Amino acid sequence: DGGITQSPKYLFRKEGQNVTLSCEQNLNHDAMYWYRQDPGQGLRLIYYSQIVNDFQKGDIAEGYSVSREKKESFPLTVTSAQKNPTAFYLCASSLHRAGTYEQYFGPGTRLTVT
Amino acid sequence: EDQVTQSPEALRLQEGESSSLNCSYTVSGLRGLFWYRQDPGKGPEFLFTLYSAGEEKEKERLKATLTKKESFLHITAPKPEDSATYLCAPTPSDSWGKLQFGAGTQVVVTP
Repeated sequence: DGGITQSPKYLFRKEGQNVTLSCEQNLNHDAMYWYRQDPGQGLRLIYYSQIVNDFQKGDIAEGYSVSREKKESFPLTVTSAQKNPTAFYLCASSLHRAGTYEQYFGPGTRLTVT
Repeated sequence: EDQVTQSPEALRLQEGESSSLNCSYTVSGLRGLFWYRQDPGKGPEFLFTLYSAGEEKEKERLKATLTKKESFLHITAPKPEDSATYLCAPTPSDSWGKLQFGAGTQVVVTP
């Protein structure tokens, strides 16, 4: 089955620690995205990548880093510089060619930092 | 500045009671508007893409429509399994796929 996997589903960390969230897709999609979702707010874009070895900052990139070494994988690191890291993190991918811009989402990772 | 407003924030319906959700937006040129359904604790599920004013899409009890400044999601004769948060996300034509998500409408359908 094609899809997007995110692991782990739940993650707990102490303040001051970096943590990496995994995102893998087998849809052969070119583009991948990371969003953050907080209660009562819309999804906010952290980083996105159009192709391998290239990525751009989204609206709230401060305190986060990413890499895109393989087409299938787009891991997100939440660094200790992120002031409010506790949130629900969603990874998405899209084919992003003419007429096909819809993004498909993974199941999410809920990160709690105490 | 691009803005997306969804209303109402929450909607409680009896099974079979049809209603509409609204998504109003101000984006500079619209490449497309996307509707998603999200269940608690899960990732959003893609429903529809609308590209131009006047366009309509249907899926089971859901129908999405688009005007120049708004989109509506009509839920006809809803069932309890239609309970979810519905998100709209217009994408400006100059943004390269950056969706502007609204905060969503939480729909609860009771038997």
